[in-house]
Amino acid sequence: DTEVTQTPKHLVMGMTNKKSLKCEQHMGHRAMYWYKQKAKKPPELMFVYSYEKLSINESVPSRFSPECPNSSLLNLHLHALQPEDSALYLCASSQEVRTEAFFGQGTRLTVV
Amino acid sequence: KQEVTQIPAALSVPEGENLVLNCSFTDSAIYNLQWFRQDPGKGLTSLLLIQSSQREQTSGRLNASLDKSSGRSTLYIAASQPGDSATYLCAPGGGNKLTFGTGTQLKVEL
Repeated sequence: DTEVTQTPKHLVMGMTNKKSLKCEQHMGHRAMYWYKQKAKKPPELMFVYSYEKLSINESVPSRFSPECPNSSLLNLHLHALQPEDSALYLCASSQEVRTEAFFGQGTRLTVV
Repeated sequence: KQEVTQIPAALSVPEGENLVLNCSFTDSAIYNLQWFRQDPGKGLTSLLLIQSSQREQTSGRLNASLDKSSGRSTLYIAASQPGDSATYLCAPGGGNKLTFGTGTQLKVEL
């Protein structure tokens, strides 16, 4: 099983809302990632967690707040987003950093 | 900073053709390279992983090669089918992260 599950699949939120994206894997992977993908563009890395500790933050604005409560779960908390933050948010996991990455189906986020 | 370019940007072929998708990257200090496919509005599906020490990797009708020193990888698709229609992304791994290429949008017609 190489499944990474993301919820919700679609999310519409206002600029004053607080919402969270959830990502779950049960493959025993110890590295988890958040990527952002704008339309017609390649995915861009946001955060990397390794053994439940944040190891890379690609200078992401503080309105995006990641959390890794345990080795199977990765959250992305959203607050005071802008319309330009509308994108497909992809979660991925791998056995360790530097090993094969597996992606979820993404959450399509629209900020209105 | 790693820069990844994929050529061609788009490709339309009749069913049954053999295809070559190209990927070039600027920083050869990579530990592996992955090829993915992405269907419209969907997530990424891993197709092949090549370790930096390998030259080639095969899975079914797919074959990927890697020339790390020259910063190039190719994905060969044999006997293309309409179900192969998707965007193909290469992603060299370095510095504990993947950097994605610009993608090749493939359409295989009946």
